[in-house]
Amino acid sequence: AQTVTQSQPEMSVQEAETVTLSCTYDTSESNYYLFWYKQPPSRQMILVIRQEAYKQQNATENRFSVNFQKAAKSFSLKISDSQLGDTAMYFCALVGGTSYGKLTFGQGTILTVHP
Amino acid sequence: GAVVSQHPSWVICKSGTSVKIECRSLDFQATTMFWYRQFPKQSLMLMATSNEGSKATYEQGVEKDKFLINHASLTLSTLTVTSAHPEDSSFYICSARGTGPFDEQFFGPGTRLTVL
Repeated sequence: AQTVTQSQPEMSVQEAETVTLSCTYDTSESNYYLFWYKQPPSRQMILVIRQEAYKQQNATENRFSVNFQKAAKSFSLKISDSQLGDTAMYFCALVGGTSYGKLTFGQGTILTVHP
Repeated sequence: GAVVSQHPSWVICKSGTSVKIECRSLDFQATTMFWYRQFPKQSLMLMATSNEGSKATYEQGVEKDKFLINHASLTLSTLTVTSAHPEDSSFYICSARGTGPFDEQFFGPGTRLTVL
């Protein structure tokens, strides 16, 4: 069984500042991918960033970067230069090589960016 | 990324009636589609996995006779909520993916169901 845990139900940040969202996971799979999804008020799920477990280098996508600590089973998301449009619910998710594509989601973190 | 559509985007129905929600992959062939249910400020709960041409696989606790899923083609899956009741009111999201174990899931915009 796979589990993903997000221990921060809500967070807030001032515009232009940096915020880090935490995620820990557990899996018995040797090959897996990790994701961060964003769900804005429109409720459309948007892929923010993905990390292949076999890659040591942390993934980055513009203002979004991850800190992937494989041994600690930690996968945090850093948002730099926060913008009002970053206000959303963020989900950490995992898919294992034998999961037939099924994503395991964390509980989610509601992020509010204040002007 | 690929586009997945859902129809309708919202629906209101009377208790006891059935409602059908369509999920379409517009620009790729989706071997697998997933159906999720989401309550406000909560995570997505996987209801079932739908593979083209075969019966859907339901997650534990999901009533397969109440939530009928049909994956008729590589671009269309439908979820029918039969004999809907107020407790079935929720936000339903579908996603679609290809055949690789790590193929990206593309999500539809969701359908808000309200049962009166």
